[in-house]
Amino acid sequence: AQRVTQPEKLLSVFKGAPVELKCNYSYSGSPELFWYVQYSRQRLQLLLRHISRESIKGFTADLNKGETSFHLKKPFAQEEDSAMYYCALKGQGGGNKLTFGTGTQLKVEL
Amino acid sequence: GAVVSQHPSWVICKSGTSVKIECRSLDFQATTMFWYRQFPKQSLMLMATSNEGSKATYEQGVEKDKFLINHASLTLSTLTVTSAHPEDSSFYICSARDGLLGSHNEQFFGPGTRLTVL
Repeated sequence: AQRVTQPEKLLSVFKGAPVELKCNYSYSGSPELFWYVQYSRQRLQLLLRHISRESIKGFTADLNKGETSFHLKKPFAQEEDSAMYYCALKGQGGGNKLTFGTGTQLKVEL
Repeated sequence: GAVVSQHPSWVICKSGTSVKIECRSLDFQATTMFWYRQFPKQSLMLMATSNEGSKATYEQGVEKDKFLINHASLTLSTLTVTSAHPEDSSFYICSARDGLLGSHNEQFFGPGTRLTVL
């Protein structure tokens, strides 16, 4: 079985402060990990995927297989980063279906 | 980018009636669509995977006869909640996967449909 855990329901930081949204997963094979973001009153959209090893909007995430983690980081939070963030896992096979974490609400305060 | 629409955006119905929700991929062909359910302040739970031209694959615990899924074309999948009851009230979200190469397994999400059963 595959599982994604996001321990924090709410994370509040000040503008300019570093951000780290935690994500841990449980999966026996080699997973693909994703971060999705949902801004207020908008649909869910892909932020980044681990296989691309890219930085989007200043966010990065590194897959740590030893710790089974895929934490999302940004060195300096911006007000527009306030949103709901979901970590998701796609296992091998299984028709591309995603397992989502419960999400973390990021609030960036001035 | 790829756009997925859902209709209606919200619906209120009486207990015992059926409700159909449409999910359309507007600018790409979706060989696979997914239906999720989201309760307030909870995560998205996959209900079923819809493949064009074949029967949907339902997740464990999801009643096939309760949630009818039809994926008759590469741009349209429908979810029908049959004999709806108040406990079916939820936010239903669909996503679609681009069938062409280069999609990197990305799913594009619709805006969701809020169903309220009275």
